[in-house]
Amino acid sequence: QVQLQQSGTELVKPASSVKISCKASGYTFTSNYMHWIRQQPGNGLEWIGWIYPGNGNTKYNQKFDGKATLTADKSSSTAYMQLSSLTSEDSAVYFCARKYFDYWGQGVMVTVSS
Amino acid sequence: DIQMTQSPASLSASLGETVTIECRASEDIYNGLAWYQQKPGKSPQLLIYNANSLHTGVPSRFSGSGSGTQYSLKINSLQSEDVASYFCQQYYDYPYTFGAGTKLELK
Repeated sequence: QVQLQQSGTELVKPASSVKISCKASGYTFTSNYMHWIRQQPGNGLEWIGWIYPGNGNTKYNQKFDGKATLTADKSSSTAYMQLSSLTSEDSAVYFCARKYFDYWGQGVMVTVSS
Repeated sequence: DIQMTQSPASLSASLGETVTIECRASEDIYNGLAWYQQKPGKSPQLLIYNANSLHTGVPSRFSGSGSGTQYSLKINSLQSEDVASYFCQQYYDYPYTFGAGTKLELK
């Protein structure tokens, strides 16, 4: 069965970076786009972008240009998102989701605090 | 960016009742619309895609309709397990955008 297993909760300091992961199983990782989505506390959902693991192509929401960097490791079927220059505004839950948003990871809570 | 205006923001209904949630896009999205259910502390779950297609395993009491800029999600015969937040999403154009959500509670 399809599963997306995300890494654990992160507590990070302002101005630092964090890299979170999403390990896929149960389907062909390289043939399916992987989306990343942000949900700030009490707020709705924002699409960050996608990566196509087969060739590494990416598409970003312009709002997250320079903030998020998407990569993928075909050998481990794992997608990654690095968030840089973190501020309190980046405190949120981050989800990965497969191509048609039909399967989602459990989410990673990132808290930015000194 | 395409703006998705969802209404109502919250909704209280009784068991067995039929509820409808609306979503209006700021421009024609040509049925490129999905609906999700999210329970507290959980990830969103896909209910409807392409405006009116029921995702595998989703109960038939959920249905989607609409076209152009106006879309709706209907839940027939409300069950206790339907208490959740619901979001619409357009995927017709980049960046993909979501509605602000509707919180459904039991009366």
